[in-house]
Amino acid sequence: GDSVTQMEGPVTLSEEAFLTINCTYTATGYPSLFWYVQYPGEGLQLLLKATKADDKGSNKGFEATYRKETTSFHLEKGSVQVSDSAVYFCALKEGTYKYIFGTGTRLKVLA
Amino acid sequence: DVKVTQSSRYLVKRTGEKVFLECVQDMDHENMFWYRQDPGLGLRLIYFSYDVKMKEKGDIPEGYSVSREKKERFSLILESASTNQTSMYLCASGRGGRPDTQYFGPGTRLTVL
Repeated sequence: GDSVTQMEGPVTLSEEAFLTINCTYTATGYPSLFWYVQYPGEGLQLLLKATKADDKGSNKGFEATYRKETTSFHLEKGSVQVSDSAVYFCALKEGTYKYIFGTGTRLKVLA
Repeated sequence: DVKVTQSSRYLVKRTGEKVFLECVQDMDHENMFWYRQDPGLGLRLIYFSYDVKMKEKGDIPEGYSVSREKKERFSLILESASTNQTSMYLCASGRGGRPDTQYFGPGTRLTVL
């Protein structure tokens, strides 16, 4: 079945460092791909999304490109801030209703 | 802004109690979902609903039931709570279609003693 694999955390970075969180997926068709972020004590909120191959989603300085050839959707940010500390979830949606979420990657940014 | 609210942020119940978790969305979304979130396991789908009175099992429906009598409200019911149901419960809603962003509530942290 469909699945999403994320790099294990926690990821600890200094402020202004470059961030990459890896995400790969397995799907039989052409899923939409998402990154959600969960700040401490809150529910998940959409960070960015992409619906087809080579699409780039971007928001708040974060970017991810839908790579069909490598079945990947890695999250990147050029310069992280302390306020980016959160748990990041990669997800795919294929079909009418069902989402598949990764296990989440905790990011900790130190001042 | 879409708003999804959950009835409680924190809940403590005893083994064997019947537990109701309520979720309300204000954007007239067709689809609503209940997930549980556990460390190292991510989000797992318990049940979802694509219309009033309609429901579908997710990946881990055992020990849970749901009710959707009105479009804006989706309830999760633990018929007889057990300690292995201690978890964070997240409700979400979405309009459907593609790409169909999901909007999440703040979560209910349930502890079953």
